[in-house]
Amino acid sequence: GAVVSQHPSRVICKSGTSVKIECRSLDFQATTMFWYRQFPKQSLMLMATSNEGSKATYEQGVEKDKFLINHASLTLSTLTVTSAHPEDSSFYICSAAPQQGMNTEAFFGQGTRLTVV
Amino acid sequence: DAKTTQPPSMDCAEGRAANLPCNHSTISGNEYVYWYRQIHSQGPQYIIHGLKNNETNEMASLIITEDRKSSTLILPHATLRDTAVYYCIVRVGINQGAQKLVFGQGTRLTINP
Repeated sequence: GAVVSQHPSRVICKSGTSVKIECRSLDFQATTMFWYRQFPKQSLMLMATSNEGSKATYEQGVEKDKFLINHASLTLSTLTVTSAHPEDSSFYICSAAPQQGMNTEAFFGQGTRLTVV
Repeated sequence: DAKTTQPPSMDCAEGRAANLPCNHSTISGNEYVYWYRQIHSQGPQYIIHGLKNNETNEMASLIITEDRKSSTLILPHATLRDTAVYYCIVRVGINQGAQKLVFGQGTRLTINP
């Protein structure tokens, strides 16, 4: 089946630094990828839609200058958390689908647990 | 906002069928119902999806009511590894290719030995 891989799976960084998370579709091309954030005991919250070759679309309340998204190829999207603060500590998850259309399933990465100290 | 309603938690005995309900009374005619599950500290896993007909695969069965306002996910023989949060999602299909999934709170299913 289709595989979406995230890297790193776990990262600890100091306040004020930036962290980059990669999301790769391993055996298919994805013009669109999605980034989610999940706090403990809560559901996934959609942050943004990553579009290959164009600017990302952010959900309401998500700071685009803080969460930089780059989708430079059909198999890779990156999320950079800039000037990280402890409140940015969360579980970040990406998803992608191998086909376009309404009747296909999305596959999720294994997630990246970010801890800002 | 999520367009589905699920019970926050359920328990099921190991080996029995687990039936997880979902209400989606405002579903549109061309919207699909998707089910995913999330085991602790992992990314969500796709289970099954359907439009109006009942569906079955190696993981589960999906029963959708005739009016499409509700559905039930059935795990026929639950095991301890099925303990997870189960999400019922109605696709927010803005345009072709946008696999945008809006997650509600889901149902925390606990399988008991």
